[in-house]
Amino acid sequence: EVQLVESGGGSVQPGESLRLSCAASGFTFSSYWMHWVRQAPGKGLVWVSRIGGDGSSTNYADSVKGRFTISRDNAKNTMYLQMSSLRAEDTAVYYCARGQRGVLGWFDPWGQGTLVTVSS
Amino acid sequence: DVVMTQTPLSLSVTPGQPASISCKSSQSLLHSDGKTYLYWYLQKPGQSPQLLIYEVSNRFSGVPDRFSGSGSGTDFTLKISRVEAEDVGVYYCMQGLHLPYTFGQGTKLEIK
Repeated sequence: EVQLVESGGGSVQPGESLRLSCAASGFTFSSYWMHWVRQAPGKGLVWVSRIGGDGSSTNYADSVKGRFTISRDNAKNTMYLQMSSLRAEDTAVYYCARGQRGVLGWFDPWGQGTLVTVSS
Repeated sequence: DVVMTQTPLSLSVTPGQPASISCKSSQSLLHSDGKTYLYWYLQKPGQSPQLLIYEVSNRFSGVPDRFSGSGSGTDFTLKISRVEAEDVGVYYCMQGLHLPYTFGQGTKLEIK
């Protein structure tokens, strides 16, 4: 069974850092693009970042560019999102999602999400 | 950024009746490979989003055939032929062609 499990969420103060993890199982992790999508409380879905299968290609939403870093460890079947200089507006549930083997394609499955709260 | 505009933002439907959601994109989602990168997701209450439709009109594995997608270019529609109680949740269209990928605002479906 293809499965994604996020972890690392929590409550932090503005300006602090946090690292999210997404552990994958049930598929050849290194063959797939992976994505982070977030959802602020009561709001819609917002794409955050993506990373290619070998980790050499990455892209970010403007709202997080320069503050967040996406990475992956294919030996551990795990993707990461290093978040720094966190702001109140980064408060959200963060989902990881599997893309496709090619750069374009749908997201499936999604993890259960991990909540990040940024508040003083 | 490509703006995805969904209408309506909420729907209240009697079981067994049809439902339709429109999604319009501010740019064409047609790629030179001939595919159109428009998807539909459903987020059921308390759950993560799940894929319903990919590339405008292809039902994903396990999705009931009462769900159908149509459209082209910048104008798309999700239809449910006969709404069931399990269809409640928020429906999102998403474009997967232009970075940053963008979602519609979401359409909340409730059962009357």
